[in-house]
Amino acid sequence: AQTVTQSQPEMSVQEAETVTLSCTYDTSESNYYLFWYKQPPSRQMILVIRQEAYKQQNATENRFSVNFQKAAKSFSLKISDSQLGDTAMYFCAFMKHQGGSEKLVFGKGTKLTVNP
Amino acid sequence: DVKVTQSSRYLVKRTGEKVFLECVQDMDHENMFWYRQDPGLGLRLIYFSYDVKMKEKGDIPEGYSVSREKKERFSLILESASTNQTSMYLCASSFVSLGETQYFGPGTRLLVL
Repeated sequence: AQTVTQSQPEMSVQEAETVTLSCTYDTSESNYYLFWYKQPPSRQMILVIRQEAYKQQNATENRFSVNFQKAAKSFSLKISDSQLGDTAMYFCAFMKHQGGSEKLVFGKGTKLTVNP
Repeated sequence: DVKVTQSSRYLVKRTGEKVFLECVQDMDHENMFWYRQDPGLGLRLIYFSYDVKMKEKGDIPEGYSVSREKKERFSLILESASTNQTSMYLCASSFVSLGETQYFGPGTRLLVL
């Protein structure tokens, strides 16, 4: 069974600095997708970034980038120039095909606090 | 923009009551999902549906049922609410294809007394 592990329950960073959130996963599949979702306090969960397993190039979205190491099954999220609005729970997720659809398997989350 | 709405943000129910949580999406997505979110446990999938009247169990279906009579609406039903079902419930939807983004609703925080 696929599992997703986020080893850092909580992290903090100073505004304008860079922080990296860790995620490892376990799978025997060769084609899959990985996601980072962000859930701000009392607000909706939104997609931060997505990575296709067969693409070697790391995905980037503005200040957010990933370090995807397929052989090591590692998928870390780097946030550059941290802003107060980045304070949120961050969830790493693995997508697999099951039954008639595609399912996300989530890690337990990392609570990130950006300090002024 | 994709919009996923849930019928209530907060709900308080008594043990043994039948509880309905409603989710509506406006993007013609085939897939719809119900998750439960608990501190320290992340999100766990309860049920999902990839078409009208189709449903599949997720990882924690016990004590729950679902209904999807129309493509845009997916209901989660607690037949007899119990205190251990106190939680945050999140609905999501997506197109049916590997790699498609799931879009989430704002969540319903349910308290069962």
